[in-house]
Amino acid sequence: SQTIHQWPATLVQPVGSPLSLECTVEGTSNPNLYWYRQAAGRGLQLLFYSVGIGQISSEVPQNLSASRPQDRQFILSSKKLLLSDSGFYLCAWGSETGSNSPLHFGNGTRLTVT
Amino acid sequence: EDQVTQSPEALRLQEGESSSLNCSYTVSGLRGLFWYRQDPGKGPEFLFTLYSAGEEKEKERLKATLTKKESFLHITAPKPEDSATYLCAVQLNTPLVFGKGTRLSVIA
Repeated sequence: SQTIHQWPATLVQPVGSPLSLECTVEGTSNPNLYWYRQAAGRGLQLLFYSVGIGQISSEVPQNLSASRPQDRQFILSSKKLLLSDSGFYLCAWGSETGSNSPLHFGNGTRLTVT
Repeated sequence: EDQVTQSPEALRLQEGESSSLNCSYTVSGLRGLFWYRQDPGKGPEFLFTLYSAGEEKEKERLKATLTKKESFLHITAPKPEDSATYLCAVQLNTPLVFGKGTRLSVIA
């Protein structure tokens, strides 16, 4: 069966520090991978998605970047965190584009920027 | 303008008191509508997919229905363990677009 792992579960970082969140998927090949951010009262906001190694689409211009160095690995990064980057970050995987299959989410990373 | 609107934002029910959550969408070309359950501090857990108007799916005390412009999640005789935030999302030709969710509290 497929599983998705995100770490760390919680993170407290000072403003201006770098960020690296990692997500890995097991039990599937060539997944579409997604980073969402969830803020109170705003729902899930899509940040990045990837349909293959090295292929990244950005949905919202911001202080963050994403990379996909391996088929089942997705990384969210920032060179300098802002207070507004605080939130709950969720990684998800789905089947190939156009399959109308659901996304499956990891358990998220709670990021607090102080 | 939000493409997906969920109502109510919060709902408080007594145990056994049935009710419905609403998800309405303004987009055309819907390819699928998805319901998720999210517990505090966890990622969303997939519940149902609906593809066409008139379709219904059931799981335990939950039943999801779909019309041309909205979906309902009916909760029959809820229990305290049904307390969670319920999210709906629509599939267009892009990644899923989520509503803001309905926070359900079921009181024993």
